[in-house]
Amino acid sequence: GEDVEQSLFLSVREGDSSVINCTYTDSSSTYLYWYKQEPGAGLQLLTYIFSNMDMKQDQRLTVLLNKKDKHLSLRIADTQTGDSAIYFCAESINHGNQFYFGTGTSLTVIP
Amino acid sequence: KAGVTQTPRYLIKTRGQQVTLSCSPISGHRSVSWYQQTPGQGLQFLFEYFSETQRNKGNFPGRFSGRQFSNSRSEMNVSTLELGDSALYLCASSTGLAGSHNEQFFGPGTRLTVL
Repeated sequence: GEDVEQSLFLSVREGDSSVINCTYTDSSSTYLYWYKQEPGAGLQLLTYIFSNMDMKQDQRLTVLLNKKDKHLSLRIADTQTGDSAIYFCAESINHGNQFYFGTGTSLTVIP
Repeated sequence: KAGVTQTPRYLIKTRGQQVTLSCSPISGHRSVSWYQQTPGQGLQFLFEYFSETQRNKGNFPGRFSGRQFSNSRSEMNVSTLELGDSALYLCASSTGLAGSHNEQFFGPGTRLTVL
């Protein structure tokens, strides 16, 4: 459960969609999460998905989970400059009380 | 409801010293987890405390230790500091209930610089 990988950087134009990808290794993960970190701040939970689901939509956010390939993605529709931040995916193991985070993807939105 | 608080927010220490960081969870939360965040390494899990007991542990050397008090407040201690310990240390609290979706609420972090 320790190898959660993400690409480090992503740039998109304002109004376009952003897709942030993540791969994880622990097949026993119960929940998978997306967190957002703005400069100088702690992490804020954006959304999560239970491991027996393959998609979850929440307003501009769509989470896709491919459990076979251990691949998680976050799509942000109509990306705004306020979405510029670092996005972390995370998996929880050990009955939901131990989390492993990816390295984070720094999203830059170009006006 | 007050959020997770961490003190101090900034610390500067020299190699060989020790440091203690403090975290106060959200009222009613019994689980506190600690993470080390460094550029390029992301967040690395240090340990989790629940009801004053260390319940889960990451892969950090024994210089990193922690404890939790009866009011769920937690402290983390790093002894014999090394330059590589410079990082943002984040704590997160949750209800800690097994098997459920345990949203972790993060504090703002303590920025430790080791000179």
